[in-house]
Amino acid sequence: AQKVTQAQTEISVVEKEDVTLDCVYETRDTTYYLFWYKQPPSGELVFLIRRNSFDEQNEISGRYSWNFQKSTSSFNFTITASQVVDSAVYFCALRGGQGAQKLVFGQGTRLTINP
Amino acid sequence: DADVTQTPRNRITKTGKRIMLECSQTKGHDRMYWYRQDPGLGLRLIYYSFDVKDINKGEISDGYSVSRQAQAKFSLSLESAIPNQTALYFCATSDGQGNSPLHFGNGTRLTVT
Repeated sequence: AQKVTQAQTEISVVEKEDVTLDCVYETRDTTYYLFWYKQPPSGELVFLIRRNSFDEQNEISGRYSWNFQKSTSSFNFTITASQVVDSAVYFCALRGGQGAQKLVFGQGTRLTINP
Repeated sequence: DADVTQTPRNRITKTGKRIMLECSQTKGHDRMYWYRQDPGLGLRLIYYSFDVKDINKGEISDGYSVSRQAQAKFSLSLESAIPNQTALYFCATSDGQGNSPLHFGNGTRLTVT
């Protein structure tokens, strides 16, 4: 069975601080896919990034970076120099490579950036 | 226009009523999904459909039913609404590729009183 754990329920930081959102996953599939989504206060779900299990390269996109480590089954998300607009709920999700390929979500982390 | 459209955006209903949430998409995707979001629980899969003739239960299908009227339309029904079905409901689509993200509608906020 697939499982995603986001142990941090809520995080609150002051603007310009760096913040890391943790994501730990469980799967028996050798091929799988990991995703991050952002849900701003307006409620929509915005896709941020995907990562294939066979590609352990870290990725940086502006102030956002993602650290994928198969050895620890983690796919952590770091925001550098946080801004108030980064305030949102962030979800990590996993899709296995076999079977129905359903997307399984973590519980979400509510990030609040205070001015 | 949004690629994935959900109607209504908000709905308040009474216990015992039957209601339908609708979803339509213009992305041409075969796969469609219904999720519900509850605080602290993330998004949980209710039903999913890989084509018009293929409907599958998700992890929390009890109390719900779905209909795939066409490739572009996938509706979710609550046969007899109860208060613990109060939640934010999302429809999503996918092209079926393993590394493809889900594309979500804007959600329907349902309150059952």
